Amino acid sequence: QKEVEQDPGPLSVPEGAIVSLNCTYSNSAFQYFMWYRQYSRKGPELLMYTYSSGNKEDGRFTAQVDKSSKYISLFIRDSQPSDSATYLCAMRRGGFKTIFGAGTRLFVKA
Amino acid sequence: EAGVAQSPRYKIIEKRQSVAFWCNPISGHATLYWYQQILGQGPKLLIQFQNNGVVDDSQLPKDRFSAERLKGVDSTLKIQPAKLEDSAVYLCASSLDRGETQYFGPGTRLLVL
Repeated sequence: QKEVEQDPGPLSVPEGAIVSLNCTYSNSAFQYFMWYRQYSRKGPELLMYTYSSGNKEDGRFTAQVDKSSKYISLFIRDSQPSDSATYLCAMRRGGFKTIFGAGTRLFVKA
Repeated sequence: EAGVAQSPRYKIIEKRQSVAFWCNPISGHATLYWYQQILGQGPKLLIQFQNNGVVDDSQLPKDRFSAERLKGVDSTLKIQPAKLEDSAVYLCASSLDRGETQYFGPGTRLLVL
C-alpha cells in the first residue's frame, strides 16, 4: 500500500465548474499537508499549505484536511482553462521528507 | 528573484552511459533537494542537502547515483551507468531551510535508450 493515494484522472470539467481533488494517506503521523500545481514540462509550484486538520482558503482555492479519516481535499471554484494542470498532494511529518501523491490531471474546457 | 536553475533541460543517452545534471538553487537557500519523477508518478526524493551536508539519501541508488553540493551552493547529480528505468524527469528544489517552502526548477528530462 502506498503511503499517499491519489486518483490520476484525467478529470475534465467545463469552465466555471467547482473542482474537487482528493488524496488519502496511511501514515497518521503526517502533520503538514500541501497541494502543488504542475504545468506541463514545468516544476511543481506550491499552491496551498495546511498544518494539521482544518480548512484554509486562498482566493478560488480551498484546502481541507480530515486527519481522523486520513483524507485531504482541494476545491477550485469558478475553474478556468488556466487551471488545467496536474495537481499533486504532498505531506510530511516534522522535518522528514515530503511524500507526494501521483498527481491528478485536470482539464478545464472553455 | 531568480528561480532554481537546472541544466541541461533534455538529455538522451544509451544505457550504460553516464550523465550529469546541474542545479543552481535560489540564492541564500540552505536546503537543496533532488527528486526523480517518473511519468505518471509524483516526485520521489533522491537526496536532500543542508548546506553541503547530506540530510537524507535513503532512496538514492548509491551503486549508480551520486550527488554533491560543493561550497553549499550549486549541486550536481550523476548517474553511472544509466539503466532504462532511469528515464524520468530529475527535479531540483531549494528552500530557505528545512521544513520551509520548496521551490522547484523546471527539471531535466532524461531518456535512456
